Amino acid sequence: EAGVTQFPSHSVIEKGQTVTLRCDPISGHDNLYWYRRVMGKEIKFLLHFVKESKQDESGMPNNRFLAERTGGTYSTLKVQPAELEDSGVYFCASSQVSGARTEAFFGQGTRLTVV
Amino acid sequence: GQQVMQIPQYQHVQEGEDFTTYCNSSTTLSNIQWYKQRPGGHPVFLIQLVKSGEVKKQKRLTFQFGEAKKNSSLHITATQTTDVGTYFCAGRGTGANNLFFGTGTRLTVIP
Repeated sequence: EAGVTQFPSHSVIEKGQTVTLRCDPISGHDNLYWYRRVMGKEIKFLLHFVKESKQDESGMPNNRFLAERTGGTYSTLKVQPAELEDSGVYFCASSQVSGARTEAFFGQGTRLTVV
Repeated sequence: GQQVMQIPQYQHVQEGEDFTTYCNSSTTLSNIQWYKQRPGGHPVFLIQLVKSGEVKKQKRLTFQFGEAKKNSSLHITATQTTDVGTYFCAGRGTGANNLFFGTGTRLTVIP
């Protein structure tokens, strides 16, 4: 069974440019989360989808960040325009909504560097 | 909003020494999960605790969930170099489907 996959693995862009990150969750996982880890610090929550609906987007830093999950499958996170402080590793995770095992399975992350 | 704090932020131990990280939530949790992230890697699930006062063991790792379901701890006995990494707790609030991660404890084991 395929795990959570993220594209690209690395991205280096200039300040002011646009970047789109993609996450393919594990098939059948309705929960999809986006997290960000900056400079080796804590994993900060960005937002949470249940299927195609945004359940909680309280962690989104500002309106330069836009997440979508059309059809409730894969998700994209767009940063437009990117700023220097947006650099970090963006993790996507998915999990089942209910059941005995609801742990989050993480993708390998996308390392974003804004220069 | 919900906050999950962990202490210490960093811990350096000699190989063979014990290690403990503590996790505290500002609100009551329905369950708590622990993850380990190796340097350069992504968080990997270790265990989930659900019941008040629950204790679970995985070889040298012992996990506890507090009676009030607001705190948890991870204890590693006789650390090994393979234990290096950052350990995160992640709490799920009552009635919520979201996971909020703690600030993490980065463990360094000195051979």
